[in-house]
Amino acid sequence: AQKVTQAQTEISVVEKEDVTLDCVYETRDTTYYLFWYKQPPSGELVFLIRRNSFDEQNEISGRYSWNFQKSTSSFNFTITASQVVDSAVYFCALLEYGNKLVFGAGTILRVKS
Amino acid sequence: ETGVTQSPTHLIKTRGQQVTLRCSSQSGHNTVSWYQQALGQGPQFIFQYYREEENGRGNFPPRFSGLQFPNYSSELNVNALELDDSALYLCASSLLNRAGELFFGEGSRLTVL
Repeated sequence: AQKVTQAQTEISVVEKEDVTLDCVYETRDTTYYLFWYKQPPSGELVFLIRRNSFDEQNEISGRYSWNFQKSTSSFNFTITASQVVDSAVYFCALLEYGNKLVFGAGTILRVKS
Repeated sequence: ETGVTQSPTHLIKTRGQQVTLRCSSQSGHNTVSWYQQALGQGPQFIFQYYREEENGRGNFPPRFSGLQFPNYSSELNVNALELDDSALYLCASSLLNRAGELFFGEGSRLTVL
């Protein structure tokens, strides 16, 4: 069965610090998709990124960057120069057969001003 | 572009009762998924609908059922409510060819007493 582990339950940083959220996954599939979602206090999850297992290039979008390493089954997410608005719960997820997203337990990020 | 809307936002039921939760998909999306999120946990996949047919189901008992309508809106029905059904129920719409890229509503918070 697919599994996603986010070992960091909660992280607190001061504004402008860089922060990395870890994600480790397990799958027997050779082709798979990985995702990150953000859940602000309002509740709705916001899609951030989808990554195909064939594409190991790192991706950068503004202050966000993602590091995908197949060798270690990791898909880590870094926020550069964090801001208070980045405070949220962040979920890593893996797409399983049947269109099912398997989510990790989430990491609570608190950014203090 | 109208986002995903869910109703009701909060509701309280007692054990054994039945509940119906409603969801309007984002304009242009043909697929709807439902997730259950218990407090402090990641969302868990209940099922997905495409063209009014169930298109994948998670590990939930048959008392969880759903419908998708021709306008792509959807309902989640839960019969014989149990205390453990207390959770945030999230609806998400998407395009079938972009599996995993979900657009979520803010959820319906169900409390079972």
